[in-house]
Amino acid sequence: AQRVTQPEKLLSVFKGAPVELKCNYSYSGSPELFWYVQYSRQRLQLLLRHISRESIKGFTADLNKGETSFHLKKPFAQEEDSAMYYCALRVDSSYKLIFGSGTRLLVRP
Amino acid sequence: DTGVSQNPRHKITKRGQNVTFRCDPISEHNRLYWYRQTLGQGPEFLTYFQNEAQLEKSRLLSDRFSAERPKGSFSTLEIQRTEQGDSAMYLCASSPGLRGSTDTQYFGPGTRLTVL
Repeated sequence: AQRVTQPEKLLSVFKGAPVELKCNYSYSGSPELFWYVQYSRQRLQLLLRHISRESIKGFTADLNKGETSFHLKKPFAQEEDSAMYYCALRVDSSYKLIFGSGTRLLVRP
Repeated sequence: DTGVSQNPRHKITKRGQNVTFRCDPISEHNRLYWYRQTLGQGPEFLTYFQNEAQLEKSRLLSDRFSAERPKGSFSTLEIQRTEQGDSAMYLCASSPGLRGSTDTQYFGPGTRLTVL
């Protein structure tokens, strides 16, 4: 079965520290991976997708098919990065997204 | 605001009652999705439409749940004979209908359902 695992419910770091939000997926085909973010009192929004290989707000994520991972990284966290982050998987045969349970990132001053 | 809108934003109902939620997607978006999110979990897929056709339904969508998108624009999600376990945030999303992973899903603010 397809599944996304985010092992950390909460990640707390100080401003300026590096951040890595972990995401592992289970899928035997060619996955499409996404990171969505939800800031306080805002709706869920796309942060980045693996196929674009882009950096958004200083965040990057690399798809590692060998380790079935898509970890989200930022070298220097900012207070405004505090939010809920969800990793999501899309499989070949569908347009639905399969989400992980989310990680709350708290960046302290 | 031209984003996805959902009404009502909050709904409190008694067990056994029927409820209906509405979603208005971004104009000209072909695909529309419904998800459910419970506390501490990520959104779980319920169903999606391509224009007016309902193309996929999750096993989570029991017989008490029905969704429609009659003219390929707005959609409604109805829950009959609500149960306390139906209490959740119901999220709607829409996407333009592009191919592959460029087809971004844009989410609405959600409808929070509380079943007493």
